[in-house]
Amino acid sequence: RKEVEQDPGPFNVPEGATVAFNCTYSNSASQSFFWYRQDCRKEPKLLMSVYSSGNEDGRFTAQLNRASQYISLLIRDSKLSDSATYLCVVKGPNSGGYQKVTFGTGTKLQVIP
Amino acid sequence: ETGVTQTPRHLVMGMTNKKSLKCEQHLGHNAMYWYKQSAKKPLELMFVYSLEERVENNSVPSRFSPECPNSSHLFLHLHTLQPEDSALYLCASSFDRLLANYGYTFGSGTRLTVV
Repeated sequence: RKEVEQDPGPFNVPEGATVAFNCTYSNSASQSFFWYRQDCRKEPKLLMSVYSSGNEDGRFTAQLNRASQYISLLIRDSKLSDSATYLCVVKGPNSGGYQKVTFGTGTKLQVIP
Repeated sequence: ETGVTQTPRHLVMGMTNKKSLKCEQHLGHNAMYWYKQSAKKPLELMFVYSLEERVENNSVPSRFSPECPNSSHLFLHLHTLQPEDSALYLCASSFDRLLANYGYTFGSGTRLTVV
C-alpha cells in the first residue's frame, strides 16, 4: 500500500460545481496534514493545513478522519482559476533528525467554462 | 516573490558537464530541502539541512552533491548526470525540520534536462 494515495484524476467539472478529493495515508502515527496546489510547470504552494476538527478557508473545506486515515478537500463554486493539481501532504512521525514528509502524486482538477 | 529563489529556472546539460543549482531563502527559516519531481511520480526528498547541517541524505547517488554554506543558501552540485535525472528540482524551506504544523515554502524550481 502506498504511504499516501490519491486519485490522479483528472476531475473535469463545470464552473460553479462542487468537487471533493480524498487522500488516504497508511501511517497511523502521522501528525499533520496539508493540501498544496501545483499549477502546471510551477512549484507547489501551500493551500491549507488540515486540522482535526476540520477547517474552512473561503470556498475550501478540509477534513481529517483519523479513524479511517484519510483527509479530504472540498471546493465549492469552482472557478476556472481552481484548475490545478492538488497534492496531499502528510507529516510525521519524526524519523532520524527530521520529520518525515510524504507527498501524494496529486489529483488533477480541470474546471470547464 | 515567494521568499525562496532558485536559479537557474531552466538548465540543459550534457552527461559530462558539471553544473550547480542555487537556492536562497529570505524567510528566516532554519531548514532547507532539495526535492526531485519527475512526471507521474510524487515529490522525492533528496536532502535535508537544518542550520547548515545535513540531517538526511535519502539514498541519493553521489553524482548529486549538496552544499549549505549558511542557513539562507543551499546548492546542489551536479556532475556526470544521466538522462533519467531529467526532472524538476525543487528547493524548499521550513521554519523547523521537526515542528509538525508548519508547511513548506517552495522555490519555483529548476527544470533540468540531461542530454
